[in-house]
Amino acid sequence: DAGVIQSPRHEVTEMGQEVTLRCKPISGHNSLFWYRQTMMRGLELLIYFNNNVPIDDSGMPEDRFSAKMPNASFSTLKIQPSEPRDSAVYFCASSRSSGAADTQYFGPGTRLTVL
Amino acid sequence: GESVGLHLPTLSVQEGDNSIINCAYSNSASDYFIWYKQESGKGPQFIIDIRSNMDKRQGQRVTVLLNKTVKHLSLQIAATQPGDSAVYFCAENVLLSQGGKLIFGQGTELSVKP
Repeated sequence: DAGVIQSPRHEVTEMGQEVTLRCKPISGHNSLFWYRQTMMRGLELLIYFNNNVPIDDSGMPEDRFSAKMPNASFSTLKIQPSEPRDSAVYFCASSRSSGAADTQYFGPGTRLTVL
Repeated sequence: GESVGLHLPTLSVQEGDNSIINCAYSNSASDYFIWYKQESGKGPQFIIDIRSNMDKRQGQRVTVLLNKTVKHLSLQIAATQPGDSAVYFCAENVLLSQGGKLIFGQGTELSVKP
């Protein structure tokens, strides 16, 4: 079975540019999570969706960040405009449900570098 | 609140020895705990979980212990192998009005010497 798929795996961009990260969750999973990982702050939850609806976006750092989930098999995380401090590894994860605690399965991540 | 540290704890063990990785969690209402393993360049990988109505759970070569009194979680790895070298994260599920969300610890780096 395919796990969580993320693209691109690496992204290098210049400050001010728009960045779009993509995620395909595991088929049949109803919840999708976006995380950011840095050495300073560790693994932080940015936003999560349940049945394509955003449930908690309190971790989204600024209005420059936005996330969408137009259907059950696709989500995007957009940063516009990007800044050097956004450089991090961004992970997408999915789980069968969030109504009860359930295991989250992580994708390989997108390493973002903003110059 | 969340516990955030600036330094990643490290644990160095000899191949074949047992490893114990500890974690303190913050929310006494958390009902579910997970240990993840993260190898370099990869996403976190599920190892084992435990619910708050249990104090011990065993998997293959791994055991998780939960002490709710002192809000402490530990991961024991038996007969540690070089392939176990990675960063290990504990996570607690904090309940929300709709489901819950995982709060991750800072991680512990395990280094296995051959």
